[in-house]
Amino acid sequence: DVKVTQSSRYLVKRTGEKVFLECVQDMDHENMFWYRQDPGLGLRLIYFSYDVKMKEKGDIPEGYSVSREKKERFSLILESASTNQTSMYLCASSLLIAGLYEQYFGPGTRLTVT
Amino acid sequence: AQKITQTQPGMFVQEKEAVTLDCTYDTSDQSYGLFWYKQPSSGEMIFLIYQGSYDEQNATEGRYSLNFQKARKSANLVISASQLGDSAMYFCAMSPNSGYALNFGKGTSLLVTP
Repeated sequence: DVKVTQSSRYLVKRTGEKVFLECVQDMDHENMFWYRQDPGLGLRLIYFSYDVKMKEKGDIPEGYSVSREKKERFSLILESASTNQTSMYLCASSLLIAGLYEQYFGPGTRLTVT
Repeated sequence: AQKITQTQPGMFVQEKEAVTLDCTYDTSDQSYGLFWYKQPSSGEMIFLIYQGSYDEQNATEGRYSLNFQKARKSANLVISASQLGDSAMYFCAMSPNSGYALNFGKGTSLLVTP
């Protein structure tokens, strides 16, 4: 079974802190993603990576950066956390099937910035 | 640009009844994939079913089936014989031909009542 793990289920941080969210997948997938989920807005793509050290901005990259030094690990960094970054963060990795990409998700990290 | 629309913020269904969750999409791509995910209150995203744009038959996975009407650009999820454990958020998503990330709708909250 594909497994995507995230370092924390719940996290509380203070405004201005630097925050690291870690994601690890164990199936050698090339592609990894970070999404943010807010009520009534669905999931929105923050960043994705299609190879080690490669990254692409998604729909809402402002205030975030990412790091992918190893294939299995994709980190999301909040350089200076703000209250409007309080949200559920979901990591995913993807497998190519029949020419298109199915994504497998981690359990999510619920981040509260106070 | 692609867009996914789920017009039902919330739905109720009685146990053992069938329910249809609506999803319409807009794309200029000829080749694409459509996905449905379930998100229980615990937060993890569970893949349910996939339909490729060139698949002529509607996808089925157990009690889940996807009613794919390409000309109408709709990809409704049908859950037969609803169970209490089906209560969750349901997201429709689309994968473009050349990209890697999924575009998600805003979701439908389904409540199954005894």
